[in-house]
Amino acid sequence: AQKITQTQPGMFVQEKEAVTLDCTYDTSDPSYGLFWYKQPSSGEMIFLIYQGSYDQQNATEGRYSLNFQKARKSANLVISASQLGDSAMYFCAMRGTSGYSTLTFGKGTMLLVSP
Amino acid sequence: KAGVTQTPRYLIKTRGQQVTLSCSPISGHRSVSWYQQTPGQGLQFLFEYFSETQRNKGNFPGRFSGRQFSNSRSEMNVSTLELGDSALYLCASSLAAGPQGNYGYTFGSGTRLTVV
Repeated sequence: AQKITQTQPGMFVQEKEAVTLDCTYDTSDPSYGLFWYKQPSSGEMIFLIYQGSYDQQNATEGRYSLNFQKARKSANLVISASQLGDSAMYFCAMRGTSGYSTLTFGKGTMLLVSP
Repeated sequence: KAGVTQTPRYLIKTRGQQVTLSCSPISGHRSVSWYQQTPGQGLQFLFEYFSETQRNKGNFPGRFSGRQFSNSRSEMNVSTLELGDSALYLCASSLAAGPQGNYGYTFGSGTRLTVV
């Protein structure tokens, strides 16, 4: 079974500062993928960044980067230069590649960016 | 390129009724998954379809069912609605399903169902 743990229910950050959202995972799959999604109040889940378990380098997408520490089973999202529009729920998710796997989500972290 | 379209956006139903939600995936995507999101349980997987076949099913009662058509559009049905079925139902489409690789999912905006 797969499990995603996000220990921060809420985070506050000032505009233009960097913020790290924590995610730890557990899986018995030898190969897996880790995703981060953003969910604004409108409800849509917006894909941010993906990290494959065998990727040698940490993933980056614009202001988003993923601090992947495989031995520690952590996949923290780093948002640099926060913007007011970054205020939203953020979900870490995992998909294994054994069998017909699906996305397993964490409980999410609410990020509030203040001016 | 059109995104994932879910209809309707909002629904209010009475206990005991049934409801059908629709999801049109991104053109070319053959995998469609459904998730239920509630404040208490978070995001929970309902089912996944690929080429009209249900490939995986979450731990939900038989009142929850779904299907996928030849054009990849998918519907999910909930019969005998209960108050606890009130939730945001999200549909996601993907290029593939299964062990072929770590393909990401593109989500729709969801259908917010309220059962009264």
